[in-house]
Amino acid sequence: AQSVTQLGSHVSVSEGALVLLRCNYSSSVPPYLFWYVQYPNQGLQLLLKYTSAATLVKGINGFEAEFKKSETSFHLTKPSAHMSDAAEYFCAVTLPGGKLIFGQGTELSVKP
Amino acid sequence: KAGVTQTPRYLIKTRGQQVTLSCSPISGHRSVSWYQQTPGQGLQFLFEYFSETQRNKGNFPGRFSGRQFSNSRSEMNVSTLELGDSALYLCASSLAERRQETQYFGPGTRLLVL
Repeated sequence: AQSVTQLGSHVSVSEGALVLLRCNYSSSVPPYLFWYVQYPNQGLQLLLKYTSAATLVKGINGFEAEFKKSETSFHLTKPSAHMSDAAEYFCAVTLPGGKLIFGQGTELSVKP
Repeated sequence: KAGVTQTPRYLIKTRGQQVTLSCSPISGHRSVSWYQQTPGQGLQFLFEYFSETQRNKGNFPGRFSGRQFSNSRSEMNVSTLELGDSALYLCASSLAERRQETQYFGPGTRLLVL
């Protein structure tokens, strides 16, 4: 069965530091993987998606993620954190039927 | 293009009542999915509608139901509300030309059951 695990429910970084949010998946079929961001009192905004075209995926706001099949990982990174990056981040995988399975989320705090 | 819209944004109900939430998808999108978000359970899939038919269903009791209209707008209904139904309900739409199309989310409806 497909599932997603996000390591670390809270991550804190200093402004300007590297952001690394971890996501591991399990899937019996080639996965479609997504990262979404949720700001307080808002819905989910798509950051980026992997659909097997390229293993390194670039998204909005300077984020990128690398698909590593051997490690079943899809970690999200950003070279330099900004205060506006503080939010909750969700990794998700779609089942062949189209249903999205989400990880538990990682709350990112950015310290000045 | 306008994004996914959900109404109302906030609702307060009491136990035993019923509630109807509405979702208008992005123009041209034919699939609408509903998710429940709570602090304890996270984001959970409720159901998906495509061309007025329920195509996919999550593990929720029958009190949760939905429908989709010919213009792709969707409604979700919860009957006999329980305290545990307090949550953010998110709607997402996609083109659904293929089953794994990207889903775009609305701002959600926050339901509080007292």
